[in-house]
Amino acid sequence: AQKITQTQPGMFVQEKEAVTLDCTYDTSDQSYGLFWYKQPSSGEMIFLIYQGSYDEQNATEGRYSLNFQKARKSANLVISASQLGDSAMYFCAMREGVSGNTPLVFGKGTRLSVIA
Amino acid sequence: ETGVTQTPRHLVMGMTNKKSLKCEQHLGHNAMYWYKQSAKKPLELMFVYSLEERVENNSVPSRFSPECPNSSHLFLHLHTLQPEDSALYLCASSQDPGGLSGANVLTFGAGSRLTVL
Repeated sequence: AQKITQTQPGMFVQEKEAVTLDCTYDTSDQSYGLFWYKQPSSGEMIFLIYQGSYDEQNATEGRYSLNFQKARKSANLVISASQLGDSAMYFCAMREGVSGNTPLVFGKGTRLSVIA
Repeated sequence: ETGVTQTPRHLVMGMTNKKSLKCEQHLGHNAMYWYKQSAKKPLELMFVYSLEERVENNSVPSRFSPECPNSSHLFLHLHTLQPEDSALYLCASSQDPGGLSGANVLTFGAGSRLTVL
């Protein structure tokens, strides 16, 4: 079974609008971490935001926020005020357990296109 | 140089060639990773090195051979590859301070795009 599911292969958003990228995860661990990465066409994976399973508040980093719904096992990324430079692939990932070197498991990604 | 640097950025090789991918991190991290990114598939973890010792192999074919001579450098030696090995190979590093550190973030390089003819 897939650990991370991203159901939107591609999304379009108008510049300056907000967009939500979906991510659901599957784990039986109580301790886990959820990550979002951005991959522009240059190839580099850029870390955006992190949410720990015990964090009570939704994580926010500038224009990025993570809508964490633990009971639904969802960790959607919200990008506010989209910019043309936000066009990229976006990957949701999870680390199970508390060891920092447990590998990240990634979803298949969502391609976001921002339209002027 | 800062961050994680991968060379070469692009590589074309025949199935009988031997080549190597190189990764260097300038972040003082103590763990390094190789991931494979194929079209329309999730990133696949290939190898993890923590404190220069391999801790994860993930059943990668033996035609891929990793080497981690020190905490700053990671190599992926390639020999007798198959066309299906064509992919983007991403190197990453992280710092695990130990204990409750599930939040440690992987920093990735820009990748080496490999094409096997």
